[in-house]
Amino acid sequence: ETGVTQTPRHLVMGMTNKKSLKCEQHLGHNAMYWYKQSAKKPLELMFVYNFKEQTENNSVPSRFSPECPNSSHLFLHLHTLQPEDSALYLCASSQDSTSGRWGANVLTFGAGSRLTVL
Amino acid sequence: GIQVEQSPPDLILQEGANSTLRCNFSDSVNNLQWFHQNPWGQLINLFYIPSGTKQNGRLSATTVATERYSLLYISSSQTTDSGVYFCAVVERGNSGGSNYKLTFGKGTLLTVNP
Repeated sequence: ETGVTQTPRHLVMGMTNKKSLKCEQHLGHNAMYWYKQSAKKPLELMFVYNFKEQTENNSVPSRFSPECPNSSHLFLHLHTLQPEDSALYLCASSQDSTSGRWGANVLTFGAGSRLTVL
Repeated sequence: GIQVEQSPPDLILQEGANSTLRCNFSDSVNNLQWFHQNPWGQLINLFYIPSGTKQNGRLSATTVATERYSLLYISSSQTTDSGVYFCAVVERGNSGGSNYKLTFGKGTLLTVNP
């Protein structure tokens, strides 16, 4: 247990379904991140939230909709996904995504949510 | 953005052997982290090492920032060391503001056989 909890761990959904991934961190951090990990590709940053404000959207399709109600919780709402969206979705947190000071952007990851789109 | 290249892409070892993993990056970085991803997908932070050398048990890492590379040493490898090792560097985000982000290499898949 790293202090970042993701649910569900596994999700299978059809292309017309609507589902959500949840992430919760217990580390007192102020920044939260969504990363996508597909087979044979580097981890891709999707979104960054710092103090509940979205600070980075890495050209993610609108069928992925993030929500950050507070600094401890992050959601990824999914609708009308495609089979190529099947991947491991990783949530992470850090003290502060806007600070270059030593240690502020050290990331702690959750265990991931493995998504399969049929 | 910064390019991060890791080598080798795959490595197979016998238990007890030593290994060196390399990470090259294309520009100056604010900091660098090494991660281990176990077979179940969990990413664990091994080192936060913008420069110099750090050691943690059988693992050590060295970053030479001026020459834009970092090395991860694994000594007396064990089967539990198997998994993917990622190097990630911190750079400015795409939004043009003050945001920082981690950019990952493709990783080195390490298999340690008993």
